[in-house]
Amino acid sequence: EAGVVQSPRYKIIEKKQPVAFWCNPISGHNTLYWYLQNLGQGPELLIRYENEEAVDDSQLPKDRFSAERLKGVDSTLKIQPAELGDSAVYLCASSFHTDTQYFGPGTRLTVL
Amino acid sequence: SQQGEEDPQALSIQEGENATMNCSYKTSINNLQWYRQNSGRGLVHLILIRSNEREKHSGRLRVTLDTSKKSSSLLITASRAADTASYFCATAPGGGADGLTFGKGTHLIIQP
Repeated sequence: EAGVVQSPRYKIIEKKQPVAFWCNPISGHNTLYWYLQNLGQGPELLIRYENEEAVDDSQLPKDRFSAERLKGVDSTLKIQPAELGDSAVYLCASSFHTDTQYFGPGTRLTVL
Repeated sequence: SQQGEEDPQALSIQEGENATMNCSYKTSINNLQWYRQNSGRGLVHLILIRSNEREKHSGRLRVTLDTSKKSSSLLITASRAADTASYFCATAPGGGADGLTFGKGTHLIIQP
């Protein structure tokens, strides 16, 4: 069974540029999460989807971050415009009616 | 915001020794989970313990939970070089598909 797929694995952009990350969860997993992980820290939840509905986006900085999960499968997280402080690893995870979450390898973003 | 605090922040031991990591958290929980993260990779779920459980085993892993002290410990017995990784505790206030709140992690190094 394929795990959570994320792309790209690495992204380097200049500040004020837009950037997008893509996630394909494990097949059949209805819940999808985006986390942000700063260097030396644990992941922090940005947004949680149940199917195509964002049920918890309280930690998503909505002035520059947006996310979508059309058709309740793949998801895209966007930052526009990116700031230097956005440099981090963006992790996607999925689950299916359980407490256990399965994480992708993450996208490492560097903003110059 | 980080819910849990792992202790110690870093731990270096010899192969074959036991490693113990501790986690403290702040609010009431439904369950507490431990995840492992190898350098540059995503997180891997290790074990989950529910709030009504006191101890749980899985292979070389033993987890304890003390809800009165809001603390948990992870013991890895007979450590191996492959156990070198960062270990995070994560809590969920409710059950099911809630987003997780992670601690800052313990970086474990197993010396061959």
